[in-house]
Amino acid sequence: IAGITQAPTSQILAAGRRMTLRCTQDMRHNAMYWYRQDLGLGLRLIHYSNTAGTTGKGEVPDGYSVSRANTDDFPLTLASAVPSQTSVYFCASSDSGGANEQFFGPGTRLTVL
Amino acid sequence: AQSVTQPDIHITVSEGASLELRCNYSYGATPYLFWYVQSPGQGLQLLLKYFSGDTLVQGIKGFEAEFKRSQSSFNLRKPSVHWSDAAEYFCAVGAKGRDDKIIFGKGTRLHILP
Repeated sequence: IAGITQAPTSQILAAGRRMTLRCTQDMRHNAMYWYRQDLGLGLRLIHYSNTAGTTGKGEVPDGYSVSRANTDDFPLTLASAVPSQTSVYFCASSDSGGANEQFFGPGTRLTVL
Repeated sequence: AQSVTQPDIHITVSEGASLELRCNYSYGATPYLFWYVQSPGQGLQLLLKYFSGDTLVQGIKGFEAEFKRSQSSFNLRKPSVHWSDAAEYFCAVGAKGRDDKIIFGKGTRLHILP
């Protein structure tokens, strides 16, 4: 049982390039989330999805987009990367929305130059 | 809106000593409370959670936390720390509604002295 997988593990990207971070879960969880983690700022929610076919904006959504075509996958896209998007990105899932326990992936370390 | 504060950015304790990490929350109703741990280069792992009932909650790895409504606190404790407990610890608060989200504190980094 893999839980949540994220790809790539790390990436160095030139500013202005498009990038998609992948997230897949095999727990059949309804809700999925994308966070970014920055030193001193903790975890901040970028986008979320309470169920397949629906998405919502979190605390810091600008410059990011998501889609939820099915239960298992929740990709995060940076349409035109900027250096301020350098961060560690975590995908998470939970059995349903609201304040249920979230399960986290191992993270993607992204550097935008 | 809910919020959570972890007053200590860094904590250093000696191996074998007791530990208490502080967490204060702000929420109008009874919150859902969580403690997560993040080892270096890893994702977050749930240590324990409080939804209702007994205010002293037992978690994994020998950790416990106590919900104190009067103090709006949910402090994490361990009677004797091990070197492997060195990590970053996040307190989080959530609400009951389906569209409500978990809000994470900024974390406390725990250092263990040999």
